[in-house]
Amino acid sequence: EIVLTQSPATLSLSPGERATLSCRASQSVSSYLAWYQQKPGQAPRLLIYDASNRATGIPARFSGSGSGTDFTLTISSLEPEDFAVYYCQQRSNWPGTFGQGTKLEIK
Amino acid sequence: EVQLVESGGGLVQPGGSLRLSCAASGFTFSSYWMSWVRQAPGKGLEWVANIKQDGSEKYYVDSVKGRFTISRDNAKNSLYLQMNSLRAEDTAVYYCARNYVATIPLSYFDYWGQGTLVTVSS
Repeated sequence: EIVLTQSPATLSLSPGERATLSCRASQSVSSYLAWYQQKPGQAPRLLIYDASNRATGIPARFSGSGSGTDFTLTISSLEPEDFAVYYCQQRSNWPGTFGQGTKLEIK
Repeated sequence: EVQLVESGGGLVQPGGSLRLSCAASGFTFSSYWMSWVRQAPGKGLEWVANIKQDGSEKYYVDSVKGRFTISRDNAKNSLYLQMNSLRAEDTAVYYCARNYVATIPLSYFDYWGQGTLVTVSS
């Protein structure tokens, strides 16, 4: 089973700042990685798929990069509604595992 | 508008059974692989099971094999999860989710229901 390790566990930033979240895989997942956003009491929302493609309706301030074992989600300028928990997920190997999450909180 | 609405969660004793349902609308249900994903309280996400469009293929995470059964009724646009021999560690919010890539089993999830809470406790 591929293990995804997200860092940092918590990121404290202010609106308008740039956020950089990391996801590292225990073995190569090629570009088969997605990012989700989850707010309290809500289901996850797909943001990025196949490492760098924005899902339908996702603002351009969200971008993804990386391949192999190291991936990054960047939020260029934080909006108040961006403070949430972010998960990565791989679909390279069975089962499609998730990272443990990064909590993005308001500083 | 795509909608997924789960039901059937609740409190059950260890060793008990529960059947979850997911009503789908707003898309051609029979064209998609469908999945169940769970989230223990305050924890991360875990894919549980998925099922092919016609129900002919099913896959499970190791921890639920032999205890959970996924099924679907395309005529009713519904997905199900029969959970038997429940354990405390099965306590979680269970989400019904649509595979982003419709035709392959291992995928991301582009639409999710609101989730239904299953609590296994005596």
